[in-house]
Order: sequence, then structure tokens, then C-alpha cells
Amino acid sequence: QKEVEQDPGPLSVPEGAIVSLNCTYSNSAFQYFMWYRQYSRKGPELLMYTYSSGNKEDGRFTAQVDKSSKYISLFIRDSQPSDSATYLCAMKGGTSYDKVIFGPGTSLSVIP
Amino acid sequence: DAMVIQNPRYQVTQFGKPVTLSCSQTLNHNVMYWYQQKSSQAPKLLFHYYDKDFNNEADTPDNFQSRRPNTSFCFLDIRSPGLGDAAMYLCATSRRPWTVLTNEQFFGPGTRLTVL
Repeated sequence: QKEVEQDPGPLSVPEGAIVSLNCTYSNSAFQYFMWYRQYSRKGPELLMYTYSSGNKEDGRFTAQVDKSSKYISLFIRDSQPSDSATYLCAMKGGTSYDKVIFGPGTSLSVIP
Repeated sequence: DAMVIQNPRYQVTQFGKPVTLSCSQTLNHNVMYWYQQKSSQAPKLLFHYYDKDFNNEADTPDNFQSRRPNTSFCFLDIRSPGLGDAAMYLCATSRRPWTVLTNEQFFGPGTRLTVL
């Protein structure tokens, strides 16, 4: 079993839809949870991060962490064509020197 | 604008012919990372430098080497590229490798390597 799993998609939604992107993980030591967005032919950029369980909202984006289920989600409200990208979840333990472990990413297309 | 620059963006090499990929940063970050990303796969950390301190991942093949002559530049050398080394190579930087708040990684656009 891989440490971090993510449905690769592709996921195609109409503009304005609510998008739900998810990751599961196996390592209970993960404490920090991140979402990166990667546009085609670009490097990933950090969208949001959360610590431990709970929700975090930033504009149209909401990140949720459920440590008991080892499950994290990213919700995108009122999706826009500019949201079309690959979304990678990433996780890290709570101690120094823990490296970031990335998921393989979910490809999202928002159709105008 | 402060940024991470990778050159070239596309590199074609022949099987077994050494190749060097370049990364430079204007962020003045202490840590520089090299990742390998194959199609539809997670970025895989190859190694990182914390200042001049080199940290190799246990499963990084010996075929991959790195140099960091100064804070701004880092190079990835592939001594004898095989067909399986064709991938996107991402360079990233962060201020510190400690907690996530200071560990935000800034990625370059990547170099896509093709091996013929």
C-alpha cells in the first residue's frame, strides 16, 4: 500500500460546480496536510495547509482533515476554468526533518 | 520577482549520455530539493541540500548526483541516463527543512527529460 493515495481522475466538471478532491493515507504520524496545484508544464504551488484535524477555508477553497479516517479533502466552490489543473495532496510528520510525501495528483478540468 | 528558474525546460539526451540540469533561485532560501516526477505519479524526492549539507534519499540511484556551488545554484547530474529516467525533474526551495510553516516549498517549472 502506498503511503498516500489519490484518485488520478481525470475529473471533468461544468463551470460553477462544487468539486471534491480526496486523499487517503496510511501513516498515522502525519500531522501537516497540504494541497498543491500544478498547472500544465509548471511546478506545483502551495494552495493551503492544515495542521492536524479540522477544516480551513480560504476563499472558494476549503480543506478538511479527518485523522481518525486518515482522509483529507479539498472542496472548490463555484469552480472556474482557471481551476483546471492537477491537485496534489501532500503530508508531513510533526518532527523536524520529516520530508513531505506527495500524492500522485488528481487532474481536474472545469468546462466553461 | 523572486523565483525558481530551471534550465533547460526541455532536454533530449541519448541513452547513456551524461546530462546536467540546472536550477537557480533568487529567494535566498537555504534548502534546495530535486524531485523526479513521472507521468501521473507523485513527485519523488531524490535529494536535498540544506546549505552545503547534502542529504541523499536512500532509494536514489547512484546514477543521480547533485552539486550546489553556492546558495543560488544547484545542479542535477545524470551520469548514464536510461530510458526509465525520462521524467519531469522539479527543483524546489524552502527557507528551512523544519516545521511546515517555514518548509513551504517553492517549485520551479521543471525540466522535461527525454531519453532516446
